[in-house]
Amino acid sequence: QVQLQQSGPGLVKPSQTLSLTCAISGDSVSSNDAAWNWIRQSPSRGLEWLGRTFYRSEWYRDYAVSVKSRITINPQTSMNQVSLHLTSVIPEDTAVYYCAREPRNDYGVFFDNWGQGIRVTVSS
Amino acid sequence: QSVLTQPPSVSGAPGQRVTISCTGSSSNVGAGYDVHWYQQLPGTAPKLLIFGNNNRPSGVPDRFSGSKSGTSASLAITGLQAEDEADYFCQSYDSSLSTYVFGTGTKVTVL
Repeated sequence: QVQLQQSGPGLVKPSQTLSLTCAISGDSVSSNDAAWNWIRQSPSRGLEWLGRTFYRSEWYRDYAVSVKSRITINPQTSMNQVSLHLTSVIPEDTAVYYCAREPRNDYGVFFDNWGQGIRVTVSS
Repeated sequence: QSVLTQPPSVSGAPGQRVTISCTGSSSNVGAGYDVHWYQQLPGTAPKLLIFGNNNRPSGVPDRFSGSKSGTSASLAITGLQAEDEADYFCQSYDSSLSTYVFGTGTKVTVL
């Protein structure tokens, strides 16, 4: 049973960096059969895929074009967790942020396990 | 902003059948990319309901089924139950945007 437990601050000031962590249990961040994604949800933008990291003999990262210049997703193998850093945040970055597991499969990319979500507000 | 359009709401009485459409274009659903569906109960994270157009993960009741044709996909719920009251989202990949995209979401109300 894969479980994802998210942690991080719920309030970030404009221009600062949003940092969240997703602790993985029941699987490994270094698994060759999974990828670890970050997705956010807001009333104005709906569900928005932000990016992912995965290990296939080496580490790979993919990021959404909309946030590519500001986002970093890193595995933390010793802690079996994955982190999200989003720099220079603006109020429009206010959303519920989810980490989600993507299984390696024959049906494209989908997300079979989700963290509980963290509501992050960007405000001074 | 989503490229996958869903009706804002659908409703039905207990026991009835409802369907939710997910309309895309030639750069996503119509390009052959698989469609996946999620259920989101109030205040919780989305839960995978259908993957690969019409496959159910273990534990998902067979009252839920998916289909895809052309540039659209559909989720059907038969034998509607009170516990099915939730938001439902489709998801696919868009080659023009080079990103994974979600539908606008549909709220299902059980009358």
